[in-house]
Amino acid sequence: EDQVTQSPEALRLQEGESSSLNCSYTVSGLRGLFWYRQDPGKGPEFLFTLYSAGEEKEKERLKATLTKKESFLHITAPKPEDSATYLCASASYRDDKIIFGKGTRLHILP
Amino acid sequence: EAQVTQNPRYLITVTGKKLTVTCSQNMNHEYMSWYRQDPGLGLRQIYYSMNVEVTDKGDVPEGYKVSRKEKRNFPLILESPSPNQTSLYFCASIRGETQYFGPGTRLLVL
Repeated sequence: EDQVTQSPEALRLQEGESSSLNCSYTVSGLRGLFWYRQDPGKGPEFLFTLYSAGEEKEKERLKATLTKKESFLHITAPKPEDSATYLCASASYRDDKIIFGKGTRLHILP
Repeated sequence: EAQVTQNPRYLITVTGKKLTVTCSQNMNHEYMSWYRQDPGLGLRQIYYSMNVEVTDKGDVPEGYKVSRKEKRNFPLILESPSPNQTSLYFCASIRGETQYFGPGTRLLVL
C-alpha cells in the first residue's frame, strides 16, 4: 500500500533559523511528489512538483529536493510569515489516486 | 480569475438528512477531486473524476456519492449523513500535477 509520512509533526524555529522538513514515501511507480502550504482554515496552496530523484526546485526561501525514498523541504532564513502547515503528497502511475501525508506544522518565532 | 468554488462554506445538519456540497471550477480542468481533512488524519481523498461521466473511489468513499455531468461541476452528495462525517471538506481541480483547492466546507452532523 502506498504511504506518505512526514516528520516532524511540528517544528518551532526562531526567525532566520534554517531547517528541513522530511517526507518519506513508499509509492509504486512515482509519477510526482508534491508540496503544499496550508494556512489555518484555508485550502492547500501548491508549492512544487518533483518528478525524479535528484530534482530540485526553489521558490523564495523554500527549496524542495527528491531522492528515491524521500523528499525534503528546506527553509532558509525563515520569516514569521512562513508559519503554516506544509503538506507532502504523491501520485503514482499505477492509479490516479493522490495520497497526502499528515503535514508538518511550522511556527517561526519573531 | 481562475478559481474553485464550494458551497456552502459552513453547514450544520442532523443525522440522516440528505445534503449536497457543490464544487465548481472555471479552468476547464478535466481532473477533479474531493478530500476530507480531520485532525491527526490529514487530507484523505474521497472520490475523484478524470473527466465527465468518469468517477472513481479514493481512500474513504463510504457514505459519499459524486456525479460529473459537466466538466466544471463535481458535487459531493451525502445521502444519509452520520456524525462521523463531521469534517472539513475540500474540492480540488487539477491541471497537470498542480491541484487548485477550493476554500473548504466545514460540515457538522449532529
